[in-house]
Amino acid sequence: AQSVTQPDIHITVSEGASLELRCNYSYGATPYLFWYVQSPGQGLQLLLKYFSGDTLVQGIKGFEAEFKRSQSSFNLRKPSVHWSDAAEYFCAVGADPSTSGTYKYIFGTGTRLKVLA
Amino acid sequence: DSGVTQTPKHLITATGQRVTLRCSPRSGDLSVYWYQQSLDQGLQFLIQYYNGEERAKGNILERFSAQQFPDLHSELNLSSLELGDSALYFCASSVVQKGRNYEQYFGPGTRLTVT
Repeated sequence: AQSVTQPDIHITVSEGASLELRCNYSYGATPYLFWYVQSPGQGLQLLLKYFSGDTLVQGIKGFEAEFKRSQSSFNLRKPSVHWSDAAEYFCAVGADPSTSGTYKYIFGTGTRLKVLA
Repeated sequence: DSGVTQTPKHLITATGQRVTLRCSPRSGDLSVYWYQQSLDQGLQFLIQYYNGEERAKGNILERFSAQQFPDLHSELNLSSLELGDSALYFCASSVVQKGRNYEQYFGPGTRLTVT
């Protein structure tokens, strides 16, 4: 079955420190992978996406993610965290309609990031 | 601003009542998704419509229903409301083409409180 795992429910980092949020997926075909960010009381905003090609993708707000097929991972990174990055981060997998026939997105349970001044 | 609009922003109602949540997708997006987000369940996919037709169902209760109209806006109807239905309800839209899934754009959500 398709699934997305974000093993860290909460992460706390100091402002200026580097960040890595983990995401592991289980999916039989080539995945479409996404990272979203949700600030309190807000909707989800797309940070970046991976469809194919270069396995290191750049997103908005200085974030990047690397797709590692051998590890079934799509970890999100940022070299220097800003206080405004405090939010909840969701990893998601999109089902390929050409093989599955469905248009389903599966979201992880989220990682809440706290940034210390 | 994602381009997806949802109304109302907040809704307070009593148990047993029925409410309708409305969503307008981004211009050009044919696909609309509904999600429920609560503290204990996280983000749950409810249902997807594509150009007026239901395409995928997730964890949607029988008391809930949705539809997408010819102008592509969508409505989520929640009936016989229970306290546990209190949550944030998000709508998202995306371009969907054969062979490829595109990213979703989320609306700001409707916060439903059932008292």
